[in-house]
Amino acid sequence: AQSVTQPDIHITVSEGASLELRCNYSYGATPYLFWYVQSPGQGLQLLLKYFSGDTLVQGIKGFEAEFKRSQSSFNLRKPSVHWSDAAEYFCAGFTGTASKLTFGTGTRLQVTL
Amino acid sequence: DGGITQSPKYLFRKEGQNVTLSCEQNLNHDAMYWYRQDPGQGLRLIYYSQIVNDFQKGDIAEGYSVSREKKESFPLTVTSAQKNPTAFYLCASSPRPLADTQYFGPGTRLTVL
Repeated sequence: AQSVTQPDIHITVSEGASLELRCNYSYGATPYLFWYVQSPGQGLQLLLKYFSGDTLVQGIKGFEAEFKRSQSSFNLRKPSVHWSDAAEYFCAGFTGTASKLTFGTGTRLQVTL
Repeated sequence: DGGITQSPKYLFRKEGQNVTLSCEQNLNHDAMYWYRQDPGQGLRLIYYSQIVNDFQKGDIAEGYSVSREKKESFPLTVTSAQKNPTAFYLCASSPRPLADTQYFGPGTRLTVL
C-alpha cells in the first residue's frame, strides 16, 4: 500500500539546537510530498511541499526538506529551533492524479529552554 | 482574507443525536475534504468533493454524511450511527481535486457526552 511513515513519535530538542524529523515514503512512482505543522487544538499549516525539480525544498519559518529517492525519504530540517516550534509535525504524500493524500502518524516536537 | 472557516470550534452532543459541522472556504477551490483526527492515528479521510453536487466516500465514511450544494460550503453531519464520534474534525480544500496542495481550516472538536 502507498504510504508515508514517521518513525519518531516524540522528539525533544534544546532551543537553538538543530532539528531533523524523519519521513519515509512507500510509493511506486515519484510522489508529491508535504510537511504540515499543527499547534495544539489548531488546524494544519503547510510548511513546504515537493512536487518535482530541486530536491532541496525551502519552506516557511526557516524549515527545509530534502527529497532523497535512494533512501525513500523526505526529512524535515531546521538549523536552529525556537521554543515556538514546539508542535506536531505531519508528513503527507500522494502519487498520480487520482490518488488521495495520505498522512503519517505525526511527530510531536518538544523544545526545552 | 481568504481562508477556510469551521464552526463551531467546540461541540458537545448527547448520544443518539445527529450534529452538523460547518466548513466554508472563500479560496474559490474546487475540491473540499473532511478528515478525522484521533491521537496517534494521523488524519483519516471521511469524505471528499471534487465539484459541486458531487462527493465520494473516503476511508472511514460510515456514520457520516455530507452535501455540496455550493462551491464554498461542505457541511459534515455526524449521525447517531457513528459508533465513536468523539474526535477532532478538520476540513480542507484544494484548487484542484486530489492531486493538489490541501489547505486546512482550524478544526472542530466534537465531544459526545
